[in-house]
Amino acid sequence: GQQVMQIPQYQHVQEGEDFTTYCNSSTTLSNIQWYKQRPGGHPVFLIQLVKSGEVKKQKRLTFQFGEAKKNSSLHITATQTTDVGTYFCAGQGGDSNYQLIWGAGTKLIIKP
Amino acid sequence: EPEVTQTPSHQVTQMGQEVILRCVPISNHLYFYWYRQILGQKVEFLVSFYNNEISEKSEIFDDQFSVERPDGSNFTLKIRSTKLEDSAMYFCASTLQGEYNEQFFGPGTRLTVL
Repeated sequence: GQQVMQIPQYQHVQEGEDFTTYCNSSTTLSNIQWYKQRPGGHPVFLIQLVKSGEVKKQKRLTFQFGEAKKNSSLHITATQTTDVGTYFCAGQGGDSNYQLIWGAGTKLIIKP
Repeated sequence: EPEVTQTPSHQVTQMGQEVILRCVPISNHLYFYWYRQILGQKVEFLVSFYNNEISEKSEIFDDQFSVERPDGSNFTLKIRSTKLEDSAMYFCASTLQGEYNEQFFGPGTRLTVL
């Protein structure tokens, strides 16, 4: 069935360093969404990408959607302690109708 | 700001017992979802619900599971005979439309099966 692979599983960074997580879908997507889950919390929507090659920015966060609409990335510049959490990508379209197919998440850990 | 609510926040049950997890989606939303997240793992889709019927379900959503919208506001997930491996966080989510819409998640119900 349709899958979304996300890497890495964990990323340890010093505060101030950059962070990147990558997602790759087995099928072409209609859109991809990014969510953040703080420790002990629930997923919170960050952004949605719809167009091929789309790039969106939210302050220090940059989101990209690949030309083939099968891969996406999230890059955080100069991480802060408030960025700690797990970042999930979730793709829609392809084999499924409206079901979001979730990546496994990348946990951002700030080294003390 | 409207939000999705879930009750209870934590449910402890004995193996083989039935549990009902409750959710109140955002009032004007039309699509409703249940997800499961085993501690530290990925978010797993269980089922989506639209127009008073299941629109999609995953392999996890077997005959032990059922969903219902008993009135205009509540959306429930019933697990008929709980197993140890059902222990997880269960999230309800809702959207205004099915596609191209952000999903609003509730705070979750932690289910512990003993």
